[in-house]
Amino acid sequence: KNEVEQSPQNLTAQEGEFITINCSYSVGISALHWLQQHPGGGIVSLFMLSSGKKKHGRLIATINIQEKHSSLHITASHPRDSAVYICAVADGGYGGATNKLIFGTGTLLAVQP
Amino acid sequence: NAGVTQTPKFQVLKTGQSMTLQCAQDMNHNSMYWYRQDPGMGLRLIYYSASEGTTDKGEVPNGYNVSRLNKREFSLRLESAAPSQTSVYFCASSDYRRTEAFFGQGTRLTVV
Repeated sequence: KNEVEQSPQNLTAQEGEFITINCSYSVGISALHWLQQHPGGGIVSLFMLSSGKKKHGRLIATINIQEKHSSLHITASHPRDSAVYICAVADGGYGGATNKLIFGTGTLLAVQP
Repeated sequence: NAGVTQTPKFQVLKTGQSMTLQCAQDMNHNSMYWYRQDPGMGLRLIYYSASEGTTDKGEVPNGYNVSRLNKREFSLRLESAAPSQTSVYFCASSDYRRTEAFFGQGTRLTVV
């Protein structure tokens, strides 16, 4: 069983829909990251969470530490949101100094006009 | 703002050849990492460096070596490339407080 599980693996939505991507993890963490990767492109950090909720534009990320679960929401989705969204947890390591990231396999999102 | 710079972006090697992937960051980060990304799998950690002068193995270190040349630069070397090392390689860095992880653009390596 992977230490970081994402669902769904693939998601197709119509423009304007509200989208939720889920991430569950089984290890102790110091932080959780949501990342975005466009086809053939690099990886961009969207959020880093250690508790609660963060919002940036149309993106909202939440985390429940007790349940070991995080969600990424996209409101009013747009075709330019089409990308792979990756959840990664930082394992803390030596008091947090190493911050090794453990990645989920990603969610491929396609938003159709 | 350069961020994390990786070179080269693309490379084709023959089995047994060697090469070094270069990575540099200009954000004064302590921690640097090398990952590989394969279809259907999450990014996997090859090696990491928590600070200048230190390196440690990650999940898949076999066939690779690294050098933390200084605080800015962290290179990954394949001494004798194998087809199983065909992958996309990402370098990343983060600061001590780890408010965000920064990634390079990736190196697409094919070993034939």
